Amino acid sequence: KAGVTQTPRYLIKTRGQQVTLSCSPISGHRSVSWYQQTPGQGLQFLFEYFSETQRNKGNFPGRFSGRQFSNSRSEMNVSTLELGDSALYLCASSVYRGEETQYFGPGTRLLVL
Amino acid sequence: DAKTTQPTSMDCAEGRAANLPCNHSTISGNEYVYWYRQIHSQGPQYIIHGLKNNETNEMASLIITEDRKSSTLILPHATLRDTAVYYCIVRVEERGATNKLIFGTGTLLAVQP
Repeated sequence: KAGVTQTPRYLIKTRGQQVTLSCSPISGHRSVSWYQQTPGQGLQFLFEYFSETQRNKGNFPGRFSGRQFSNSRSEMNVSTLELGDSALYLCASSVYRGEETQYFGPGTRLLVL
Repeated sequence: DAKTTQPTSMDCAEGRAANLPCNHSTISGNEYVYWYRQIHSQGPQYIIHGLKNNETNEMASLIITEDRKSSTLILPHATLRDTAVYYCIVRVEERGATNKLIFGTGTLLAVQP
């Protein structure tokens, strides 16, 4: 079974631009969560989606948003990029919320110049 | 804040067992102990999890103390490819609960040749 896939794997943007990252969960998985990893803050939870609804959100500004489609694929969007948004963005999927092991994708490395 | 504390770093000789400790003194009765590892700049990889009984799979063994306030991840024969940051996480595991994982700083395990 294929794992979690994330596209693109690497991305370079400039301040003020916006970016959209994509996550395709493992087949049959309906829950998708997103995390940001930076050297200073470590791995931090962004939000989670289940059945196309955002179920939980981390402490990030409104510039960070996401959505989930009916096929469980998810996208996250960051608007008005700042230098501090440079990070590894990870998504994780599981069958349901709460009772299943989550599996992570390889991440998208975003560099903001 | 993370509910677990781990040593910042550990060394292990190749071929020997690596024993990684984790303290979770405030763990609740319905919280499981999960272990993930992250090899440099890759997505976290699930290793093993347990509630109160010791667990073993093809990757590792998990030993949880009887009072559940601490646990040890054991890699029986460490190889150079096991060099990674190991994260110990506690989470509620029941249907409908949040999938949010709270990562601490983890333990950097360096396997030496």
